[in-house]
Amino acid sequence: KQEVTQIPAALSVPEGENLVLNCSFTDSAIYNLQWFRQDPGKGLTSLLLIQSSQREQTSGRLNASLDKSSGRSTLYIAASQPGDSATYLCARDTGNQFYFGTGTSLTVIP
Amino acid sequence: SAVISQKPSRDICQRGTSLTIQCQVDSQVTMMFWYRQQPGQSLTLIATANQGSEATYESGFVIDKFPISRPNLTFSTLTVSNMSPEDSSIYLCSVDDGSSSYNEQFFGPGTRLTVL
Repeated sequence: KQEVTQIPAALSVPEGENLVLNCSFTDSAIYNLQWFRQDPGKGLTSLLLIQSSQREQTSGRLNASLDKSSGRSTLYIAASQPGDSATYLCARDTGNQFYFGTGTSLTVIP
Repeated sequence: SAVISQKPSRDICQRGTSLTIQCQVDSQVTMMFWYRQQPGQSLTLIATANQGSEATYESGFVIDKFPISRPNLTFSTLTVSNMSPEDSSIYLCSVDDGSSSYNEQFFGPGTRLTVL
């Protein structure tokens, strides 16, 4: 079974705090790992894509890492803001299909 | 990246009826995907729609329930047939627009369906 797990399921932090979201997968076969943001009732916005040959990608306050050997990816958000409040989803791309994680619901408290 | 729109954005439907969801892309793309996101759940792939061929359905999804059309490289429709309350979900289309060499997917805003 192609499982992608995200921990924690929900997270609440005060504004300004740095935080880490975790994504783990049971099958190490991976082409890409992509992180998305989903606002309530909305579609997905692509944040970062890490190729299987890479270890990390950065965009602004976001940094995503990939460790294929341990089947893990992390999304680091620096200096969190209330506008970061959303659900964050990771997706493992096998080259044939995307498998999505269960998501982490983030609330940043002003 | 491609800009993707979906219609309708939301709908409330009666049991036993059908709804067709449209997905429009502002550029030509080879592969389009349809996903379902049930309340509180993550995304599940329904089918892959390539222009000029029959859609490929994932396990648990059948053409009679979710017929898909892909008449050209910028447009696709998904029909949810003979609906029941269990079909209440957000339905999303996505594309690989080829702007990245690495299968990066971009999503439409979704269609929120409620079946009474």
